[in-house]
Amino acid sequence: EADIYQTPRYLVIGTGKKITLECSQTMGHDKMYWYQQDPGMELHLIHYSYGVNSTEKGDLSSESTVSRIRTEHFPLTLESARPSHTSQYLCASSGRDNNQPQHFGDGTRLSIL
Amino acid sequence: QKEVEQNSGPLSVPEGAIASLNCTYSDRGSQSFFWYRQYSGKSPELIMSIYSNGDKEDGRFTAQLNKASQYVSLLIRDSQPSDSATYLCAVTKAGYSTLTFGKGTMLLVSP
Repeated sequence: EADIYQTPRYLVIGTGKKITLECSQTMGHDKMYWYQQDPGMELHLIHYSYGVNSTEKGDLSSESTVSRIRTEHFPLTLESARPSHTSQYLCASSGRDNNQPQHFGDGTRLSIL
Repeated sequence: QKEVEQNSGPLSVPEGAIASLNCTYSDRGSQSFFWYRQYSGKSPELIMSIYSNGDKEDGRFTAQLNKASQYVSLLIRDSQPSDSATYLCAVTKAGYSTLTFGKGTMLLVSP
């Protein structure tokens, strides 16, 4: 069982607020990822990191930002939330080898009013 | 052409039958192939990985890879209602660890 944790699980918040979604893993994985998924729709990679101080943008343009100061921690921040940011955000991690699968956290369901 | 294509379904099978899920990919340099199961409102769960041509079996699940034809499939034997979910095919290119996901195939297993 993968040990990757996301908090909060659900968040309902007003427009304009600054939000940080937390993601932590205890597997010592070098690589971490953030995906965005709307209900019934496909997964879109928005950010990834290959290690400490490494961050890259994914395939889907996102107004969010990420940081990777510690191996186990990969938070995602929205400086000013808007209703268009309403979605499910999924964090994943994988080991150093490129062939290793990604393991997902339970996700954060975000609703911006 | 999308990089990873799956029939969105739903694929409906009766309990006890074999469910066959298919996926094609466009990049011949693809190297690693994964099947994830996603229940409604939940996160994807890894069920199979396959890296070389042929079949790989794990319990009721068999993954099949044919790199020449650029397809990967998942067979679920003795399908159960609890197998009802969306099955996501995911592919990595050589030298990369980022996954490209298909849109997923919804499987419905009726009792």
